[in-house]
Amino acid sequence: SQQGEEDPQALSIQEGENATMNCSYKTSINNLQWYRQNSGRGLVHLILIRSNEREKHSGRLRVTLDTSKKSSSLLITASRAADTASYFCATDPSGSARQLTFGSGTQLTVLP
Amino acid sequence: DGGITQSPKYLFRKEGQNVTLSCEQNLNHDAMYWYRQDPGQGLRLIYYSQIVNDFQKGDIAEGYSVSREKKESFPLTVTSAQKNPTAFYLCASSSRQGTGGYTFGSGTRLTVV
Repeated sequence: SQQGEEDPQALSIQEGENATMNCSYKTSINNLQWYRQNSGRGLVHLILIRSNEREKHSGRLRVTLDTSKKSSSLLITASRAADTASYFCATDPSGSARQLTFGSGTQLTVLP
Repeated sequence: DGGITQSPKYLFRKEGQNVTLSCEQNLNHDAMYWYRQDPGQGLRLIYYSQIVNDFQKGDIAEGYSVSREKKESFPLTVTSAQKNPTAFYLCASSSRQGTGGYTFGSGTRLTVV
């Protein structure tokens, strides 16, 4: 079953702008992770935020987590054409044996 | 370099055939996973294994089988019972503690001809 749902499904921005993607989920989690997928390739792990964290940064990436609303956001600042990809959130449910559940993704297009 | 290797990159299957997708990792990860991805969709879990000689069904295990005889290897067989096997298959691995997320292979695209 798909626990995480990303919003929007597709996003198109100009190079240099910021891109924000949102993820909502349904059950309690140990952590939430964001992944990137270039067309026809495997996923690449970007960042992990634990349930007791509210915000995390990695380079141009900023992730927030609101466990009361069961939602997370991924912000990519100063976007580049090379950021064009699909972005997925994945939840690691509490009490599970570490089986990530992935959302359906946001397709980001950064126009040069 | 440590990583996870899937082969082949492209695979064509005739109706009624079984095919096996290979997944090998040299990351010393205990856990391995198989996901299926359909166009424009997220990933759905087929099977996972947390330790050698043990594996569990995921959300869409019907028509698939796996084995985990070695820590490094987790092959997936798509059997003739899988009625709609055309998809992109992704293998992943993670440490038992899972602090660093999953490492994915580059995928196998399976097409029924």
